[in-house]
Amino acid sequence: DTAVSQTPKYLVTQMGNDKSIKCEQNLGHDTMYWYKQDSKKFLKIMFSYNNKELIINETVPNRFSPKSPDKAHLNLHINSLELGDSAVYFCASSQRKATGELFFGEGSRLTVL
Amino acid sequence: AQSVTQLGSHVSVSEGALVLLRCNYSSSVPPYLFWYVQYPNQGLQLLLKYTSAATLVKGINGFEAEFKKSETSFHLTKPSAHMSDAAEYFCAVSPSNDYKLSFGAGTTVTVRA
Repeated sequence: DTAVSQTPKYLVTQMGNDKSIKCEQNLGHDTMYWYKQDSKKFLKIMFSYNNKELIINETVPNRFSPKSPDKAHLNLHINSLELGDSAVYFCASSQRKATGELFFGEGSRLTVL
Repeated sequence: AQSVTQLGSHVSVSEGALVLLRCNYSSSVPPYLFWYVQYPNQGLQLLLKYTSAATLVKGINGFEAEFKKSETSFHLTKPSAHMSDAAEYFCAVSPSNDYKLSFGAGTTVTVRA
């Protein structure tokens, strides 16, 4: 069983479209995250939820909207996609604060044409 | 604020040689420090972590790291490189009281036969 699973794994879309990425974890963790990895492999945190409550909201365009329907799921919706949104988006979870281990999904590669 | 700097974006070693990846941190509070590995087209996986216990930390796959407060460093080593060690390695830091894990820029390791 995959601990942190993301769908879809690949997304290719046109500028201006809206897309969503879904994430589910079966580890029983309280905290989930979205990270963005750019073409230079740099990882930047975008959002974090703890028990469905938003606790980290980095400087991210408001075209990006996370939603956590329950503590096992964290989805990312992106409106009006731009070329600069092309990246790999990683979902992760942890049992408690980031002093614990983060478990990452395999990533969702978004390409905006 | 906390951050990490990884010295050297690319390291090339011969199979069987020492692997040394450098990481320096900056933190206003006692830090928790991590090394993660990312294999091609996969998510990140924890190699080891320092959480203020022993300064020499042993991880998976024969890796270890030493926390040196006086040098603000947390360098990663492996005595003998294996072809399977070829991957991207990330150093990360988290304050002891925060959910946010900040990653370094990463170091690509290639292993020559």
